[in-house]
Amino acid sequence: DTGVSQDPRHKITKRGQNVTFRCDPISEHNRLYWYRQTLGQGPEFLTYFQNEAQLEKSRLLSDRFSAERPKGSFSTLEIQRTEQGDSAMYLCASSPGRMPPQYFGPGTRLLVL
Amino acid sequence: AQTVTQSQPEMSVQEAETVTLSCTYDTSESDYYLFWYKQPPSRQMILVIRQEAYKQQNATENRFSVNFQKAAKSFSLKISDSQLGDAAMYFCAYRRIGGATNKLIFGTGTLLAVQP
Repeated sequence: DTGVSQDPRHKITKRGQNVTFRCDPISEHNRLYWYRQTLGQGPEFLTYFQNEAQLEKSRLLSDRFSAERPKGSFSTLEIQRTEQGDSAMYLCASSPGRMPPQYFGPGTRLLVL
Repeated sequence: AQTVTQSQPEMSVQEAETVTLSCTYDTSESDYYLFWYKQPPSRQMILVIRQEAYKQQNATENRFSVNFQKAAKSFSLKISDSQLGDAAMYFCAYRRIGGATNKLIFGTGTLLAVQP
């Protein structure tokens, strides 16, 4: 068990570019969550997968955001036409079913110039 | 909607001393979980302690314990014998039981400094 991993750890991009982040949950964890954390704030829920099904999306997740979890394993979060307001830490977490806790990855820090 | 409030943006404690971090929450649910997560600088968030609302006994994990007051909707974290490694951002979080997602709702965090 190597924990939740995320790639890349840091990403700098120019406004208008597309970016994609990857999350590898703990093996056999069927629930996967994405959160966004801005400076000085707690993480805010973005979206949730149970296996390969995306069951909930926050209103924070605009049309420029899309997430997938093919085959119920790793997940990707794509942001199209990035804006400076997208600059944040994007956290992934996984859990083994309905019972807590959620285990967090190290996050991907995005800076949009 | 559920909310979590941490009214102490920053706290400081001397090494080996005890510190208490405050958290209040608002919910209409009767069953839920409460958590304290620790986020060290540039490191990932880890679970410190959790409390099930239906349990009256306060949770403890080594030097960490909580004071859960359900009627007051208060959930404070006590760190005893503080160590330099306890320095971090601490987040209080709420999760309802049941529902579709079990997403966590976080407070804004308390930055804890530990003075040698």
